[in-house]
Amino acid sequence: NAGVTQTPKFQVLKTGQSMTLQCAQDMNHNSMYWYRQDPGMGLRLIYYSASEGTTDKGEVPNGYNVSRLNKREFSLRLESAAPSQTSVYFCASRDTGNTIYFGEGSWLTVV
Amino acid sequence: SQKIEQNSEALNIQEGKTATLTCNYTNYSPAYLQWYRQDPGRGPVFLLLIRENEKEKRKERLKVTFDTTLKQSLFHITASQPADSATYLCAPRPADTDKLIFGTGTRLQVFP
Repeated sequence: NAGVTQTPKFQVLKTGQSMTLQCAQDMNHNSMYWYRQDPGMGLRLIYYSASEGTTDKGEVPNGYNVSRLNKREFSLRLESAAPSQTSVYFCASRDTGNTIYFGEGSWLTVV
Repeated sequence: SQKIEQNSEALNIQEGKTATLTCNYTNYSPAYLQWYRQDPGRGPVFLLLIRENEKEKRKERLKVTFDTTLKQSLFHITASQPADSATYLCAPRPADTDKLIFGTGTRLQVFP
């Protein structure tokens, strides 16, 4: 039982490049989330998915797209990376008892 | 707009004392409120959940209170230890949405 798994762990991108952050959970949870965390800003919600086939915008969705491929997987895509998207990204899922389980994070640097 | 406030300044306390962290929220009617712990370089980890109809909840050395009139939750760690040093995040959640917003967190430092 791996919980929430994110890949890659570290990534350096050039401005304008695109990439996808992958997230998978093996706990059969319906709800999944993507957050970014910057120093002094706390966790900010980018997108979330209440169930397979649905996605909704969070606090800071601009510059990102998401795909809820199936119940297990929820990916985050940066179409044209910008230095302002340098951050630590966390994927999470929620169980029926409302506990949120986080992945270990993905460190993204855009130069 | 919905706002969650936690003390951005670090809380420094001596080992053995009780640490008290505050979470205030506005423009919210949360059905429940959660507290998480985050260590440097790691994802947050769930600690406690308290529902709107509960005034207080305890788990080992942890205690959470929830005052829906004041729109405030207090998080207490009794007999604090250096291992309790971390950032603590609160997350109030309304009943009618899956959207979960976190406070910015308060960093706790317990020194021997």
